[in-house]
Amino acid sequence: AQRVTQPEKLLSVFKGAPVELKCNYSYSGSPELFWYVQYSRQRLQLLLRHISRESIKGFTADLNKGETSFHLKKPFAQEEDSAMYYCALSGWRGGSNYKLTFGKGTLLTVNP
Amino acid sequence: NAGVMQNPRHLVRRRGQEARLRCSPMKGHSHVYWYRQLPEEGLKFMVYLQKENIIDESGMPKERFSAEFPKEGPSILRIQQVVRGDSAAYFCASSPPGAGTKKAFFGQGTRLTVV
Repeated sequence: AQRVTQPEKLLSVFKGAPVELKCNYSYSGSPELFWYVQYSRQRLQLLLRHISRESIKGFTADLNKGETSFHLKKPFAQEEDSAMYYCALSGWRGGSNYKLTFGKGTLLTVNP
Repeated sequence: NAGVMQNPRHLVRRRGQEARLRCSPMKGHSHVYWYRQLPEEGLKFMVYLQKENIIDESGMPKERFSAEFPKEGPSILRIQQVVRGDSAAYFCASSPPGAGTKKAFFGQGTRLTVV
């Protein structure tokens, strides 16, 4: 069975501070990991995928297969980063690679 | 391209009534996915449809729930005889053929409240 765990329901930091949103997963095959973000009153949108190894809006995430983690990090948080963040997983290829398994989400608040 | 459109945004139904949730995919997208988010939970996969075909409905409750994606018109998620436990946010996503989750875009969701 595949499972995504986001241990922090709420995370509050001050502007300019580093932020790390934790995500751990459980999956028997080769997973593809994603981070989605939902700003207030807006739709869920893809922030980044692990295979892209890109940085979006200053956020990065590295897949650590040994620790089965995909933590989202940003060195200097901005107020506009305040949003709900969801970690998600799908199979890598074939089978049900269209099906996303989501964590429960972490609500990030960046205080001025 | 207006993105994935869901309507209504909010829907209130009394117990026992029917709820119909609509999803218009992005232009050029022929694959639709429905997810449900119960309070305090993550989004959970319900069903995957292509035009006129249900590909995977493994996440759909066995009774009262059905989904379709006709040749013309939006995809419809239908819940018959709603109960309080159906209160949730229902999200639709769409993708072009062959892209799966990699190029899936989400709608803003329909928040169903059963009173």
